[in-house]
Amino acid sequence: GQQVMQIPQYQHVQEGEDFTTYCNSSTTLSNIQWYKQRPGGHPVFLIQLVKSGEVKKQKRLTFQFGEAKKNSSLHITATQTTDVGTYFCAGPRSQGNLIFGKGTKLSVKP
Amino acid sequence: GAVVSQHPSRVICKSGTSVKIECRSLDFQATTMFWYRQFPKQSLMLMATSNEGSKATYEQGVEKDKFLINHASLTLSTLTVTSAHPEDSSFYICSASGLQGSYGYTFGSGTRLTVV
Repeated sequence: GQQVMQIPQYQHVQEGEDFTTYCNSSTTLSNIQWYKQRPGGHPVFLIQLVKSGEVKKQKRLTFQFGEAKKNSSLHITATQTTDVGTYFCAGPRSQGNLIFGKGTKLSVKP
Repeated sequence: GAVVSQHPSRVICKSGTSVKIECRSLDFQATTMFWYRQFPKQSLMLMATSNEGSKATYEQGVEKDKFLINHASLTLSTLTVTSAHPEDSSFYICSASGLQGSYGYTFGSGTRLTVV
């Protein structure tokens, strides 16, 4: 069945270092979404990418959608302690719901 | 933006009792809502898709008689965990997609269920 894989599972960085999480789908996606879940909180929608090769930026966050629309990445420049949390990618399923990657848990050491 | 309200945020119940969790879309109509379960340090597992006015669609392995879903209106879906057992303890989250385009899915704040 359809799978969305995400690596790494955990990432520990020093504040100020960069961070990247990668997402790979077993199928071509019409779009890919990224969510952030703070410790103890619920997932919050960050962004949706739709076009092949699309790149979007939100301040220090850069999101990319691969040319084949099967992979995506989220890059954070100069991490801050407020970036702590788990980042999930998600792709749409034929049933209309989302399939989530397992997430990358980011911890930032001050 | 879209807001989804979920209640209660935390509940502790005795084994064998039932617990109802409510999910409301506050400023938009959600014809479809989704119920997820999340185990500690794990990803979101879709339990069922709740469609307004019709029966919910359950994912494989999810007991429909144990996790009762009702979506009686365009703004309210409920999940009832019946005859709860300690293994049902988990974080339950609902989500809805009411706005098309780049707004993604809006999640409720989640319900931490502990069955003792």
